[in-house]
Amino acid sequence: DTEVTQTPKHLVMGMTNKKSLKCEQHMGHRAMYWYKQKAKKPPELMFVYSYEKLSINESVPSRFSPECPNSSLLNLHLHALQPEDSALYLCASSQDTGELFFGEGSRLTVL
Amino acid sequence: SQQGEEDPQALSIQEGENATMNCSYKTSINNLQWYRQNSGRGLVHLILIRSNEREKHSGRLRVTLDTSKKSSSLLITASRAADTASYFCAYAGGTSYGKLTFGQGTILTVHP
Repeated sequence: DTEVTQTPKHLVMGMTNKKSLKCEQHMGHRAMYWYKQKAKKPPELMFVYSYEKLSINESVPSRFSPECPNSSLLNLHLHALQPEDSALYLCASSQDTGELFFGEGSRLTVL
Repeated sequence: SQQGEEDPQALSIQEGENATMNCSYKTSINNLQWYRQNSGRGLVHLILIRSNEREKHSGRLRVTLDTSKKSSSLLITASRAADTASYFCAYAGGTSYGKLTFGQGTILTVHP
């Protein structure tokens, strides 16, 4: 299984809502990532988990809260988001080779 | 900004022609990678070239790396309409394991 699965594919939420994005991989990868991508822009790194511990936080606002329940799962909890947070959120995983395997993304719209 | 630059920003060619995309970066790197993204979809890894390699091939793809000029190029030979996508270079620096920086991307359109 060489897939990274992200749910939901689309999410619309209000600024007062609490929602979560989920990501799952069964490749035995020990590093998992959240990226944010705006239209016609490159992906921007948000968080990196290595061996289930948060290793990189790219100064992301606290309204985004990552969680890694186990080595296969990665969540991104969303609370009190702003309309400018609307974007494609990409999850990825990797092993030591450095190659990233991406999911198809969750397209988030904040009203 | 440490973000990489890519050129051209957009490239439009006919099927059968070759497409060349260039990437420049600013830091020392461990490796450089190229990814492809179809509109609104996830990224797909194409090829990785290590800092001690100068050229690498994979099918119709050819990647070169010049660490003295801090640049890389991706050549797609005999392009097909299905190659239409955005292409990004990405690299990781020496001590920033796990932190891939992506270039701005090249939008490739291949006309049938």
